[in-house]
Amino acid sequence: ILNVEQSPQSLHVQEGDSTNFTCSFPSSNFYALHWYRWETAKSPEALFVMTLNGDEKKKGRISATLNTKEGYSYLYIKGSQPEDSATYLCAFPPTGYALNFGKGTSLLVTP
Amino acid sequence: NAGVTQTPKFRILKIGQSMTLQCTQDMNHNYMYWYRQDPGMGLKLIYYSVGAGITDKGEVPNGYNVSRSTTEDFPLRLELAAPSQTSVYFCASSYSNGGLNQPQHFGDGTRLSIL
Repeated sequence: ILNVEQSPQSLHVQEGDSTNFTCSFPSSNFYALHWYRWETAKSPEALFVMTLNGDEKKKGRISATLNTKEGYSYLYIKGSQPEDSATYLCAFPPTGYALNFGKGTSLLVTP
Repeated sequence: NAGVTQTPKFRILKIGQSMTLQCTQDMNHNYMYWYRQDPGMGLKLIYYSVGAGITDKGEVPNGYNVSRSTTEDFPLRLELAAPSQTSVYFCASSYSNGGLNQPQHFGDGTRLSIL
């Protein structure tokens, strides 16, 4: 099993703070890198699917970058809001058929 | 627009009982997946299917079986329920044209307790 590692495991920030998380994955045989947002008592929702080295994706205040050569992706949240509180998952397909998910970064944003 | 629908939402089973978790999608996705979520362990892949008639094992397939007779449906069967199978189960689907460059769409989950 080729593992995806996420850090930090959890994060607590104040409303208005900007923050970022890291996803590390094996850099060989790269297919794609997925980011999902998972709110408590709901199901995961896709944020980004990134496929090219140097890719940058943005959705509102959330953005992500990708470095396939060194095997990492960063997720950034600008001006965190309480509704951003969730677990953020990254996932990597080692074979191209199915995703291996990291354990996630749990974000809590307090007013 | 239903997306991925899972039934039931909750179920309590006795040890040794069997049941089928249903999953259906209306997006004409070729790829479908079953995951289980255990506390602190993230999502673990149980089985997946790349099209009707084709299934394959994921990371944690023991104690489960699947079938994919249609594009829409991907049921997960527990034959002899064990306490270790207490978990939240998620079904997901995605479109693929040869690589996982499309997002997965998840159902709302089935919370299963084995007592």
